[in-house]
Amino acid sequence: KNEVEQSPQNLTAQEGEFITINCSYSVGISALHWLQQHPGGGIVSLFMLSSGKKKHGRLIATINIQEKHSSLHITASHPRDSAVYICAVSRNFGNEKLTFGTGTRLTIIP
Amino acid sequence: GAGVSQSPSNKVTEKGKDVELRCDPISGHTALYWYRQSLGQGLEFLIYFQGNSAPDKSGLPSDRFSAERTGGSVSTLTIQRTQQEDSAVYLCASSLVLSGWQYFGPGTRLTVT
Repeated sequence: KNEVEQSPQNLTAQEGEFITINCSYSVGISALHWLQQHPGGGIVSLFMLSSGKKKHGRLIATINIQEKHSSLHITASHPRDSAVYICAVSRNFGNEKLTFGTGTRLTIIP
Repeated sequence: GAGVSQSPSNKVTEKGKDVELRCDPISGHTALYWYRQSLGQGLEFLIYFQGNSAPDKSGLPSDRFSAERTGGSVSTLTIQRTQQEDSAVYLCASSLVLSGWQYFGPGTRLTVT
């Protein structure tokens, strides 16, 4: 079993829909990261969180440490949000090497 | 400001040849990570450098892989006697010490024929 599991693997939605991507992990962590990768593009860090909730524009990330679960939400989705979203965890303060989930491919249809 | 840069962007090599991949981190970032993204394995950690500390090499898949970081800045990942299974995108990331927020480079796509 992978240490970091994401669901769904693929998600297709209409423009404007509210999107939720889930991530579960099975190890102790120092932080959980959400990353974005556009087709043919590089990886961009979206969020890094160890508790609670963070918001950046239309993106919201939450984490429940007790349940070892995080969600990434996108409000008012837009075709430019189409990308692969990757959940990753770091396990040690001072060495933040990442263990990655397999990613969720999101497609937003106009 | 300049982000993380990597070179070359693409590299095609014959099986058995050695390759060197370069990473220039963001100036002032003392933490540097190498990762690999392949179709079969997804994203995986390779090696981590932090300042003058001994590197964390726990993710290197075999002794054909090595990396160094000179002067606390530029890093080179070397793969000796390349194999077809080494074909992947090699990504470098850097961060400020104790920040954890990682900035990724564009990657080097390595194809071993």
